[in-house]
Amino acid sequence: QSVLTQPPSASGTPGQRVTISCSGSSSNIGSNTVNWYQQLPGTAPKLLIYNNNQRPSGVPDRFSGSKSGTSASLAISGLQSEDEADYYCATWDDSLNGWVFGGGTKLTVL
Amino acid sequence: EVQLVESGGGLVQPGGSLRLSCAASGFTFGTYWMSWVRQAPGKGLEWVANIRQGGSEKYYVDSVKGRFTISRDNAKNSLYLQMNSLRAEDTAVYYCASGANFDNWGQGTLVTVSS
Repeated sequence: QSVLTQPPSASGTPGQRVTISCSGSSSNIGSNTVNWYQQLPGTAPKLLIYNNNQRPSGVPDRFSGSKSGTSASLAISGLQSEDEADYYCATWDDSLNGWVFGGGTKLTVL
Repeated sequence: EVQLVESGGGLVQPGGSLRLSCAASGFTFGTYWMSWVRQAPGKGLEWVANIRQGGSEKYYVDSVKGRFTISRDNAKNSLYLQMNSLRAEDTAVYYCASGANFDNWGQGTLVTVSS
């Protein structure tokens, strides 16, 4: 049972816009910034979004993040087949004094 | 180019010990937080531990407190994870990650705890 709650799966067709939610509490998302990671099949995770909505260099602007209260979202616009991956949200939890991850969302491009 | 290369994984019996290493290059290692994150087979990501730039602050997930120790050698650009009293549930790919936001990741090293 993950501290942060994500839907286990999401899907969309090429060109569509999809969003993935991440729900937490006042001790984690409510108090700290959220990061998102993309894990392509068989590879190591990669930082996709940091500090709620910032993109590292090299990450396409099709990927965007937002946060409101104790929830965060990752949006992917202009969906492409290469976006098929697992996506994880993460943040610091002040009560646990440690980082917490969501359970991950498997994105399928139909 | 940032490179993180983990080593030291393998098969170990329950109750045994293992020391993981992470060799870093391509950035000023001593100025970054470093972390270990693991992923059990077919499961999601779980943060294990992290360590401040100078090594003065260390944090651990509850399930490894008292059994795992994170350390670093800034002169050798290396991060370590000493794992003692290993359990079956510690079986996972262990990744080292650099930066306060896990900005860069290594390819991981597999630890299997089984008799």
